Amino acid sequence: DAKTTQPPSMDCAEGRAANLPCNHSTISGNEYVYWYRQIHSQGPQYIIHGLKNNETNEMASLIITEDRKSSTLILPHATLRDTAVYYCIAYNQGGKLIFGQGTELSVKP
Amino acid sequence: KAGVTQTPRYLIKTRGQQVTLSCSPISGHRSVSWYQQTPGQGLQFLFEYFSETQRNKGNFPGRFSGRQFSNSRSEMNVSTLELGDSALYLCASSFGGETQYFGPGTRLLVL
Repeated sequence: DAKTTQPPSMDCAEGRAANLPCNHSTISGNEYVYWYRQIHSQGPQYIIHGLKNNETNEMASLIITEDRKSSTLILPHATLRDTAVYYCIAYNQGGKLIFGQGTELSVKP
Repeated sequence: KAGVTQTPRYLIKTRGQQVTLSCSPISGHRSVSWYQQTPGQGLQFLFEYFSETQRNKGNFPGRFSGRQFSNSRSEMNVSTLELGDSALYLCASSFGGETQYFGPGTRLLVL
């Protein structure tokens, strides 16, 4: 399973876009890039995932570089409720998610 | 559609006891994965069950075990509890291992 690297913390102003980077330079061809977030002491919440193409849903957008070695999660208009730990995971959809330390995003008014 | 449910939500046990935690997956999901979250080790994978068979296993001692029933509900058991077993235990369900959806967790405190 590929290892991912994320900055430990980031700040974002409320209403602005939050861009969370993730490095996954050893990702293999059958691994998807998944993003989850965890608000304090709750279960992780699925956000979005992608294989090669950029993806968008009602929560966020996922931009994956052409070589698939890195990606960026974009929350277009961050709110205070988006304050959470965000996890980027390279996952082969085999039932075993490997979580790193994630990025602690603080959205400030 | 109802989400993943876990019972109980909170539990206090003493060292040496055993505990059983329950997880009901989203309707139609056949895969259930279990995770342990502690401040020191973060979120760690315990095991995954699919169609009543353990398909994946993490690096935890044999005191941690699980099972899955024919209706896809799953239980995990921890025997001979240690102080270090105090943690948030999370389960997640998926159709067959793809996108996993997590429950709220069971917070276990071992005294």
